[in-house]
Amino acid sequence: AQSVAQPEDQVNVAEGNPLTVKCTYSVSGNPYLFWYVQYPNRGLQFLLKYITGDNLVKGSYGFEAEFNKSQTSFHLKKPSALVSDSALYFCAVRDMLKRGSTLGRLYFGRGTQLTVWP
Amino acid sequence: GAVVSQHPSWVICKSGTSVKIECRSLDFQATTMFWYRQFPKQSLMLMATSNEGSKATYEQGVEKDKFLINHASLTLSTLTVTSAHPEDSSFYICSARARPGGIYEQYFGPGTRLTVT
Repeated sequence: AQSVAQPEDQVNVAEGNPLTVKCTYSVSGNPYLFWYVQYPNRGLQFLLKYITGDNLVKGSYGFEAEFNKSQTSFHLKKPSALVSDSALYFCAVRDMLKRGSTLGRLYFGRGTQLTVWP
Repeated sequence: GAVVSQHPSWVICKSGTSVKIECRSLDFQATTMFWYRQFPKQSLMLMATSNEGSKATYEQGVEKDKFLINHASLTLSTLTVTSAHPEDSSFYICSARARPGGIYEQYFGPGTRLTVT
């Protein structure tokens, strides 16, 4: 079974400092990994994904994530945080698409609330 | 990027009435649509998955007679909450996945806040 763990409910960081939001995963086979951000009363916005290739994935709004197979982690990072980055962040892993099937659900972590203070 | 819309963005209804929420993929055709429910400060809970023209597949514990899902076209899915009760109050988010073409990207709607009084 696929699962995602976000060990931190909250991350607080000062503006201008680097930020890390942690995510570990458990999958059978190769993982498809995603990060999404959610602002209050809004849907999820895609930030970045890892399918294959370079372990460092660059995404929207200056975010990046590092895929580490040995540690089964996919931590989200940003070199310099902005107050506007304050939001709820979700890590997700996709079930492998089976041949002939259009299914392939996303399994979400419980989310990490990021607060960037001025 | 691809856009998914939801309507209404918020709705208040009386207990016992039914509410319909629409989800549309605006600039792509969606082979599959997903309906999620989210409680405050919690993760998304997948309610059901629907493929165009087929019956929805409901997750365990989700009442299919209460949460009616219709995926009539490649750009429209609806969720009807029948005989709503206060415990159905929640944030409902739909998501759509595009037709084949590389990895099937999944796009999310802005959500619908349902309050049942």
